[in-house]
Amino acid sequence: TQLLEQSPQFLSIQEGENLTVYCNSSSVFSSLQWYRQEPGEGPVLLVTVVTGGEVKKLKRLTFQFGDARKDSSLHITAAQPGDTGLYLCAGAEETSGSRLTFGEGTQLTVNP
Amino acid sequence: NAGVMQNPRHLVRRRGQEARLRCSPMKGHSHVYWYRQLPEEGLKFMVYLQKENIIDESGMPKERFSAEFPKEGPSILRIQQVVRGDSAAYFCASSHLNYEQYFGPGTRLTVT
Repeated sequence: TQLLEQSPQFLSIQEGENLTVYCNSSSVFSSLQWYRQEPGEGPVLLVTVVTGGEVKKLKRLTFQFGDARKDSSLHITAAQPGDTGLYLCAGAEETSGSRLTFGEGTQLTVNP
Repeated sequence: NAGVMQNPRHLVRRRGQEARLRCSPMKGHSHVYWYRQLPEEGLKFMVYLQKENIIDESGMPKERFSAEFPKEGPSILRIQQVVRGDSAAYFCASSHLNYEQYFGPGTRLTVT
């Protein structure tokens, strides 16, 4: 059973389109991180959210943490080919200390 | 400003040999985490260490795997008597206190 369900698994869109990636769980998280991973490299931290209902913006990326701290979303506005990559959500459960549980990722391809 | 460093980046071992993976955390970070990414699977937590202490090893296989983070020097993940199923990408992350985790580039272990 996957603790963090990430959807969609694959997403292929045209440059300029908007998209949303979802990360859902039945567990409560003390914090949730979004990472981006390129082939052959380690995950790169994009953002951390810790407060229920929190919204953070990073240029064209908007991250939201659910009110109950069980889910999160990543919205990209006007996607560009440079946004192509594997997007991962990872949560630290309230009962599990510091270890992160990762979703299986969303592979985004933005076509020019 | 060096990030998390891992070496080697690629390691090939024959079945039955030992593999030693090294991780130097970011400057100022005293918390180290090891994760494994099997082919076609997501990142899975293995172990969490602070200097000279193992804090959480709930994700470590019971046999052949060990980890340390000595007072001086890098953290070491050691795999004895490797088997083909150990082939994976092994990622180290570090954090200041137990907050945001920053990942290294990974070590790709191939067991032949």
